[in-house]
Amino acid sequence: DVKVTQSSRYLVKRTGEKVFLECVQDMDHENMFWYRQDPGLGLRLIYFSYDVKMKEKGDIPEGYSVSREKKERFSLILESASTNQTSMYLCASTQTGNQPQHFGDGTRLSIL
Amino acid sequence: GESVGLHLPTLSVQEGDNSIINCAYSNSASDYFIWYKQESGKGPQFIIDIRSNMDKRQGQRVTVLLNKTVKHLSLQIAATQPGDSAVYFCAAAGWNTGNQFYFGTGTSLTVIP
Repeated sequence: DVKVTQSSRYLVKRTGEKVFLECVQDMDHENMFWYRQDPGLGLRLIYFSYDVKMKEKGDIPEGYSVSREKKERFSLILESASTNQTSMYLCASTQTGNQPQHFGDGTRLSIL
Repeated sequence: GESVGLHLPTLSVQEGDNSIINCAYSNSASDYFIWYKQESGKGPQFIIDIRSNMDKRQGQRVTVLLNKTVKHLSLQIAATQPGDSAVYFCAAAGWNTGNQFYFGTGTSLTVIP
C-alpha cells in the first residue's frame, strides 16, 4: 500500500513566521501535490511537482512556495504566515496523471 | 478549467438502505473520474474510479455511473453500514488539465443505525 506521511497532524504558528510542511511518500511516485481544504470550497491545488526540482503552480499559489530536492519528499513553505492561511493542508502523490492520487492524513495548521 | 460540484451537502440514510451521492462536472474534456471517502481526521481514501469510455463500474458494494451527455456521475453504496459514514467527494481530470484534478466540495453521509 502507498504510504503518504505528513510530518505534523496539528501545527500552531504565529503571523509572519516561516512555516514548513513536510510530506514523504514511499512508492517512488513521480508526481506530488499540495492542496488546502476549506469548508465549502473543496480541495484546491496550491502547487504540484512532476519530478525532482520541478514545480508547477496550481490554482492558489500566492503566499506559498515548494521544494522537491528528493523524489520522495515534497515540502510546502509559507514564506510569511498569515491568518487566512489557517486551513487543512493535504499532500498527495501519484505515479502518472491518470491514476488515483494517494493522500496523507493532513496537517491542520492554525495561524494566530 | 473545470468546476465540480455535488448536489447535496448532507445525506442521511438508514442502515441497510442504499445511498446515492451525485456529482456534476462542467468540462466536456474531462475523461477520468474518481470517488473519494474522507473520514473524520483522515485524508481522502480512493474508493473507485471510472474512465470516459465506460458508463458504469462496480466495486465491492459500490457502483459508479457516468453520464457524459449531462456531465453527471453518481456513487451508489449498497446496504449502507455505519462505517460508511464519512464525507464523499468526486474528482475529475481531463486531457486538457494535465495532471490536475478538480474536486467537488463533498457530501457528508450519515448512516442511522
